[in-house]
Amino acid sequence: DQQVKQNSPSLSVQEGRISILNCDYTNSMFDYFLWYKKYPAEGPTFLISISSIKDKNEDGRFTVFLNKSAKHLSLHIVPSQPGDSAVYFCAASFQTGANNLFFGTGTRLTVIP
Amino acid sequence: DADVTQTPRNRITKTGKRIMLECSQTKGHDRMYWYRQDPGLGLRLIYYSFDVKDINKGEISDGYSVSRQAQAKFSLSLESAIPNQTALYFCATSDPGAERRHEQFFGPGTRLTVL
Repeated sequence: DQQVKQNSPSLSVQEGRISILNCDYTNSMFDYFLWYKKYPAEGPTFLISISSIKDKNEDGRFTVFLNKSAKHLSLHIVPSQPGDSAVYFCAASFQTGANNLFFGTGTRLTVIP
Repeated sequence: DADVTQTPRNRITKTGKRIMLECSQTKGHDRMYWYRQDPGLGLRLIYYSFDVKDINKGEISDGYSVSRQAQAKFSLSLESAIPNQTALYFCATSDPGAERRHEQFFGPGTRLTVL
């Protein structure tokens, strides 16, 4: 059963506007979350992460928000650029134990120039 | 530059054949992982290894086996390939001693087609 879900397979946004990618999880024991970005013919690359003790983490144009009560996180990209066009995966993990990652199904973001 | 490499990058094989996918890393990381990616299913963990003597099954290990020949090498085998093993396969590494110990570094992937 998919413990991490990204319900929007695709998203299109105009250049300069905000992109919001959403992710939901079912296991309340997850306490660390990551976003990965994937270009065609390349492996996923780490983008940003957040621990469950925080509700927001910011890195340049990228901000991740965590709502533990709703078991929901989102990635905001502001302003969006054409180079941001890629598939974005959210992933969840546990702070203790094996630290394995549980990935969502991915959202393909297209930023239109 | 420290990296994760996978060979081959593309492979077409027939049902019933044995096939091995190889992964090498120069990052010096102890932990290595094998994932498969299928459309609409994201990445799913097949096997992971925390060091040369430690191999663990992931979410979908049936039909696969692995070998950790050295800290830098982790190979995935399909003993008798079947068409539903057609997928994109990724190797990854991580450093449990790093500040961001959850971060995994991925290779470029191997596209496997089983006819």
